[in-house]
Amino acid sequence: DVKVTQSSRYLVKRTGEKVFLECVQDMDHENMFWYRQDPGLGLRLIYFSYDVKMKEKGDIPEGYSVSREKKERFSLILESASTNQTSMYLCASSPGLGAVETQYFGPGTRLLVL
Amino acid sequence: AQTVTQSQPEMSVQEAETVTLSCTYDTSESDYYLFWYKQPPSRQMILVIRQEAYKQQNATENRFSVNFQKAAKSFSLKISDSQLGDAAMYFCAYRPRLVFGKGTRLSVIA
Repeated sequence: DVKVTQSSRYLVKRTGEKVFLECVQDMDHENMFWYRQDPGLGLRLIYFSYDVKMKEKGDIPEGYSVSREKKERFSLILESASTNQTSMYLCASSPGLGAVETQYFGPGTRLLVL
Repeated sequence: AQTVTQSQPEMSVQEAETVTLSCTYDTSESDYYLFWYKQPPSRQMILVIRQEAYKQQNATENRFSVNFQKAAKSFSLKISDSQLGDAAMYFCAYRPRLVFGKGTRLSVIA
């Protein structure tokens, strides 16, 4: 089974802190994604990556950056956390470049910024 | 731009009954894929069912089936013989653009 893990289930940070959210997948997937999930808004794509060191902006990249130094790991970085970044963050991966391919999701990280 | 609309924020169904969750989408593309994902209270999202737009036959997976109407841009999910474990948030999704709907929370009443 595909396993996507995220470094923390719950995280509390203060405004202005730099925050790292880590995601690791164990199935040699090419694609990795970061979403945020907010009530009434569904999932919104922040960034995605098709290959090591490659990244593409999603729909809401402002205030975020990403890093993919190794194929299995995709990090989401909040350079200076703000209260409006309080949310559930979901990481996902998929095998290749085909649009038909299923995404596999991690358990999510609930981030609270005070 | 592609959009996905789930018009039912919440639904409920009696155990063993059938429920249909609606999803409509807007696109000018001819080749695309549609998915239903389930997110149980434990929060890990999993795939329920998927449909390739070029296929006329509706996809089915055990108790889950879709009613795909391409001309109407409609992609509803039918859950038959509902079980308590079906209680979850359900998201409709469109690819390749990676667009998700806002979700429908399904409650199952024993």
